[in-house]
Amino acid sequence: GAVVSQHPSWVICKSGTSVKIECRSLDFQATTMFWYRQFPKQSLMLMATSNEGSKATYEQGVEKDKFLINHASLTLSTLTVTSAHPEDSSFYICSASVRGGNTEAFFGQGTRLTVV
Amino acid sequence: DAKTTQPTSMDCAEGRAANLPCNHSTISGNEYVYWYRQIHSQGPQYIIHGLKNNETNEMASLIITEDRKSSTLILPHATLRDTAVYYCIALANQAGTALIFGKGTTLSVSS
Repeated sequence: GAVVSQHPSWVICKSGTSVKIECRSLDFQATTMFWYRQFPKQSLMLMATSNEGSKATYEQGVEKDKFLINHASLTLSTLTVTSAHPEDSSFYICSASVRGGNTEAFFGQGTRLTVV
Repeated sequence: DAKTTQPTSMDCAEGRAANLPCNHSTISGNEYVYWYRQIHSQGPQYIIHGLKNNETNEMASLIITEDRKSSTLILPHATLRDTAVYYCIALANQAGTALIFGKGTTLSVSS
């Protein structure tokens, strides 16, 4: 199947700083990428849908000014957690749909963010 | 998207078949049944999907009832590496549609 690469796999940052997470589709073009957040022992929660070249669509309750999403090309989307706080510590996962394909989505390996 | 209901947890002995049920009684005609799994601290992995016919691939088989109100994912010979949370999701097959995850079934395979 198609490969989605997420970087970094884990990151520790200080409170108040910003962290950028990258999501790349390595061998296919992804018109749409999705960002999820997962807290311990919980399911994945959709944060936002990102379409190449346009503004991301955020789910209710997700602050767009705090979680900045950029999808500048068909193979790269980034999520920046701005002014991170300990409560932002979570597992962040991206996924991508194959351009022109069906809804089978491919997921990155996830990024473990710890804010101290 | 139709709501799905799965048991919270299941156990399976290594080498035996694991049959994971899913109810989706409100599924509409254009919605597929997708199965993903998530091994601890990893991103979800696609397993299989189907509309109304039974499907099989190298990972699993998907049996969908004739009325499409329920389905069963079958792992024919479970291994310890199949221990994971399994998610059944119903949604229309349309590019760009987000997968919405429920709580899934935690499958524990033991030797």
